[in-house]
Amino acid sequence: GAGVSQSPRYKVAKRGQDVALRCDPISGHVSLFWYQQALGQGPEFLTYFQNEAQLDKSGLPSDRFFAERPEGSVSTLKIQRTQQEDSAVYLCASSPESGTGGISNQPQHFGDGTRLSIL
Amino acid sequence: AQKITQTQPGMFVQEKEAVTLDCTYDTSDPSYGLFWYKQPSSGEMIFLIYQGSYDQQNATEGRYSLNFQKARKSANLVISASQLGDSAMYFCAMREPWGRDTGRRALTFGSGTRLQVQP
Repeated sequence: GAGVSQSPRYKVAKRGQDVALRCDPISGHVSLFWYQQALGQGPEFLTYFQNEAQLDKSGLPSDRFFAERPEGSVSTLKIQRTQQEDSAVYLCASSPESGTGGISNQPQHFGDGTRLSIL
Repeated sequence: AQKITQTQPGMFVQEKEAVTLDCTYDTSDPSYGLFWYKQPSSGEMIFLIYQGSYDQQNATEGRYSLNFQKARKSANLVISASQLGDSAMYFCAMREPWGRDTGRRALTFGSGTRLQVQP
């Protein structure tokens, strides 16, 4: 399809397990974002990539969270030693912008998210 | 401090009537962008409309329009002729300017308003 694709759609893991969430952005989109959305809340920023470079990881809640985008397309968000507070929907978004500053009117295009439940 | 405030956790509207969803924001920068997204129960975030801080006119997109009052720092979404399919969560989000050093282009979201359209 032409949209942002995320897998798996649902993930259930036991506390302490590692999980990996995949994001396949829209082809050609330079920018890729990960957000975490707790139940009943708005999404919160986790990390941002421009091509393969991770330019901002200020939103990652702990060093158990790790993200990569090695070839500048598909991205993986990994959570090590999962805890119950990690339960949330993880949203990936991409956009075509690649400018050097200012404000862009380009919207971010979101995937359907991965609903992660930690037991 | 909250940068985006949506004070209406839930709203009801009759089919075919108009509804206004409130959003106020906080920024000290004169340059910024405001976005509205719709999130149905399926989970995907759907871009609706954009307003730039320097735009002279209120943004419109089909049945969606923005009541942008810069001095009051509000950007309310107006949905005209509501349809049953408009029932969803609605999020207001802001993007502030980023510089060469930060590279951050993330959106800051409000907590959302759940709209229910009644037949």
